[in-house]
Amino acid sequence: HVQLVESGGGVVQPGASLRLSCGGSTFDFHNHGLNWVRQTPGKGLEWVAYISEDGTYDFVTDSVKGRFTVFRDNFKSTMSLQMNSLRPEDTAVYYCTRNRAGGSYDLWGRGTLVTVSS
Amino acid sequence: SYVVTQTPHMSVAPGKTAGITCEGDNIGDKNVHWYQLRPGQPPTVVMYNANDRPSGIPERFSASKSANTATLTISGVDDGDEADYYCQVVDLDNDQRLFGGGTKLTVL
Repeated sequence: HVQLVESGGGVVQPGASLRLSCGGSTFDFHNHGLNWVRQTPGKGLEWVAYISEDGTYDFVTDSVKGRFTVFRDNFKSTMSLQMNSLRPEDTAVYYCTRNRAGGSYDLWGRGTLVTVSS
Repeated sequence: SYVVTQTPHMSVAPGKTAGITCEGDNIGDKNVHWYQLRPGQPPTVVMYNANDRPSGIPERFSASKSANTATLTISGVDDGDEADYYCQVVDLDNDQRLFGGGTKLTVL
């Protein structure tokens, strides 16, 4: 069954760190760029980070620059998002997604909830 | 920074046609994809690259673009189409990957 599965979400205080993980199965993980996309009730969907197939190219959205880092391990078919200095506005469901030609996302995980609150 | 605008809400009667729009400067030159989001479920793509339909998506779904507007059209709307719809604008040359604010489609 082709799928992506996120883990690592939870409730943390402002300023804390958290690492999210995404595991892929039953597809050629190393041949796909991957993304993190988050969903908040107030702002809808927001693209957060992208990493290329071989992990040599990555970038994040402006609001998380300097705080979030994305990396991957193709041997383990995993991608991670290291989130530091978390803020209440980072509260969201975080999805990992698989890139398709043209930059669309043809596979989404079920998401993991991150809540930043004191 | 690039801005993508969607109408927040839309209502349509069953059997009628819904046209959900996504506006942005020169959006016609960019890749535009459409996603359906239902409560408690991850988003699913309903249209790729403006008018390329994934397998399993009915032919009632179509899409188009003009210079500054992209449109997702759902004909013969039924209750199962009630959901939030998001456009995604991708400009790989400039590393732009933006979602619109979403349109909540209500079937009357």
